[in-house]
Amino acid sequence: GDSVTQMEGPVTLSEEAFLTINCTYTATGYPSLFWYVQYPGEGLQLLLKATKADDKGSNKGFEATYRKETTSFHLEKGSVQVSDSAVYFCALSEGHGTSYDKVIFGPGTSLSVIP
Amino acid sequence: AAGVIQSPRHLIKEKRETATLKCYPIPRHDTVYWYQQGPGQDPQFLISFYEKMQSDKGSIPDRFSAQQFSDYHSELNMSSLELGDSALYFCASRKGGGGYEQYFGPGTRLTVT
Repeated sequence: GDSVTQMEGPVTLSEEAFLTINCTYTATGYPSLFWYVQYPGEGLQLLLKATKADDKGSNKGFEATYRKETTSFHLEKGSVQVSDSAVYFCALSEGHGTSYDKVIFGPGTSLSVIP
Repeated sequence: AAGVIQSPRHLIKEKRETATLKCYPIPRHDTVYWYQQGPGQDPQFLISFYEKMQSDKGSIPDRFSAQQFSDYHSELNMSSLELGDSALYFCASRKGGGGYEQYFGPGTRLTVT
C-alpha cells in the first residue's frame, strides 16, 4: 500500500540555520503531496502542497518540490526561527479523481530551534 | 473563513464507558474523515463518509462506529473504552469532486482513565 517515509528526529537547529527534512513516498498512482505542521498541543495545519510533478509548494519561507523521478518531497527553509519549532508531517493523498481519499502521513519529524 | 468544528475539545472518560465525538465540516463540504493520533504518533485514518455513505474504512476498532447525518456533520461513537483509546481525534472535511485538499479540525483530546 501507499506509504510515506521521512527522516527521523528530533532535529535541533540554531536560529537562522538551514533546514531540510527529507521525505520519500510510495504510491500506486499519482498522489498529491503535503506537508503538515503541528505546534505543541495544537492541531494539524497544512503548510504547503503540490499536486503534480515539478510543482513547488511554498509558504512562510518553507518550500518543497514534487520530484516524481525520485519519489521525494523534501521540505526546506533557508533560515529557521524559534517559532518554527513543531512537528512536521509529510503526507500524501491519492486522489484518483475521486472525492474520498484518505491522507497517509509519515511518522513526523520533531524540530526544535534554539536561540 | 469557516473551519472544521469539533466538539468537545477535551473529554475524560473511564474505562468501559462510551464517548461521542462530533464533527461539523466546512459549509458545502460533503466528505468527512476521522483520524486518530496516539501520543507521539502520526495520525492514522479511521473512517470516511461521502454524501452520508461510508466511503472508506481504515484501522477502526469494532467498538467504534460513525455516521454522517443529513446536514453532513458526523459523529464518532466509541464504546467499551480502553486506556489505549486515549488519543487526539481529528476530523477533516473536503469538498467532493476530487483534487481538493482536506481541512483538519482542531481535534478532540480523549483521555481514558
